[in-house]
Amino acid sequence: EAAVTQSPRSKVAVTGGKVTLSCHQTNNHDYMYWYRQDTGHGLRLIHYSYVADSTEKGDIPDGYKASRPSQENFSLILELASLSQTAVYFCASSDRWGGQNTLYFGAGTRLSVL
Amino acid sequence: GQQVQQSPASLVLQEGENAELQCNFSSTATRLQWFYQRPGGSLVSLLSNPSGTKHTGRLTSTTVTKERRGSLHISSSQITDSGTYLCAMERGNYQLIWGSGTKLIIKP
Repeated sequence: EAAVTQSPRSKVAVTGGKVTLSCHQTNNHDYMYWYRQDTGHGLRLIHYSYVADSTEKGDIPDGYKASRPSQENFSLILELASLSQTAVYFCASSDRWGGQNTLYFGAGTRLSVL
Repeated sequence: GQQVQQSPASLVLQEGENAELQCNFSSTATRLQWFYQRPGGSLVSLLSNPSGTKHTGRLTSTTVTKERRGSLHISSSQITDSGTYLCAMERGNYQLIWGSGTKLIIKP
């Protein structure tokens, strides 16, 4: 069974502080993604990566940075957290790009910015 | 406007009844994907369907891309089917555009 592990599971941050969300996959997948979900809404893609040491912008990258130091690890960094970044963040991985390939999700990180 | 619209927003059924979830999208899509979000929040991929009908277990996905619509049928619903069902349309590149989900509640 493919495994994607996110940490922390929940986080309370102060406005203007730095937040790092971590994601680790043991699937040997090339593609990794960061999504955010706001209450009652679907997911929106923040950043993704298809190879170590390279990241790409998704649909809503502003205010976020990403880092892929290895195939297994993908981090999302909020340099200056803002109230509007309160959301649930999901990391996912897939073997290849495209709809035929199954996305495997982590359990999510609930971030509250106060 | 919202590119992917799911209906109904919520659905309450008795155990054993069938569920029919709808997904309409406003632009050209190469396929629809269906995901299940557990009450605790974790997400699982259910089906990926470019067109026509696909079955897996008690789930049937129908996608009619020309008419920009799709559906997910759950037969003989069980209490453990309760949760939120999300559809996402895939465009020609990587992009998945997500709907806001249908919350399904199955009562004993």
